[in-house]
Amino acid sequence: GENVEQHPSTLSVQEGDSAVIKCTYSDSASNYFPWYKQELGKRPQLIIDIRSNVGEKKDQRIAVTLNKTAKHFSLHITETQPEDSAVYFCAAPWMDSSYKLIFGSGTRLLVRP
Amino acid sequence: NAGVMQNPRHLVRRRGQEARLRCSPMKGHSHVYWYRQLPEEGLKFMVYLQKENIIDESGMPKERFSAEFPKEGPSILRIQQVVRGDSAAYFCASSIGQGGTAKDYGYTFGSGTRLTVV
Repeated sequence: GENVEQHPSTLSVQEGDSAVIKCTYSDSASNYFPWYKQELGKRPQLIIDIRSNVGEKKDQRIAVTLNKTAKHFSLHITETQPEDSAVYFCAAPWMDSSYKLIFGSGTRLLVRP
Repeated sequence: NAGVMQNPRHLVRRRGQEARLRCSPMKGHSHVYWYRQLPEEGLKFMVYLQKENIIDESGMPKERFSAEFPKEGPSILRIQQVVRGDSAAYFCASSIGQGGTAKDYGYTFGSGTRLTVV
């Protein structure tokens, strides 16, 4: 089964700087890697995802990169803004044939104005 | 589309009582997942259901916890004889779950039920 590790657990950056959050996974058959953002007291919301047949995907200020050989994927947020402050979770499928997602432990991002 | 609907939003129970959490998936979604989130912690998988079937309950405690997703109506997560350690946010998510494309994995979460056991 899948094991997902996420680092760092907390990250504090100055507004305008970049933030990078990294996750590693164990199942080489995993083919889908989403990132969720959870604001305080709110539901987790999907912000970006990547399939294993591409190495990078961008959506405005956020991007995800995937290294299948090393079995890790990263979330990059550029030009951070205070509203980016939240907890971010990565996830990977339990097994390639399953729709069950295993989540990382989360990264609490604080963007200082 | 109303999204994933969970109720109640907040639930207070005394130790020993039963808690019933309800989840209605998004229209067109046939897969439902329940996750538990303790304060300041991540999302822990509990159970994965399709209509009238439990697909995977490996994350659910064997005692006191049960889940169902009947042919008609919402999915129900039931916790019997609640204890203080059951206090947490319980999130339900749903997905299309078929087809093998990225959007089929894309969970949509409900707003959660925050259970407090006093």
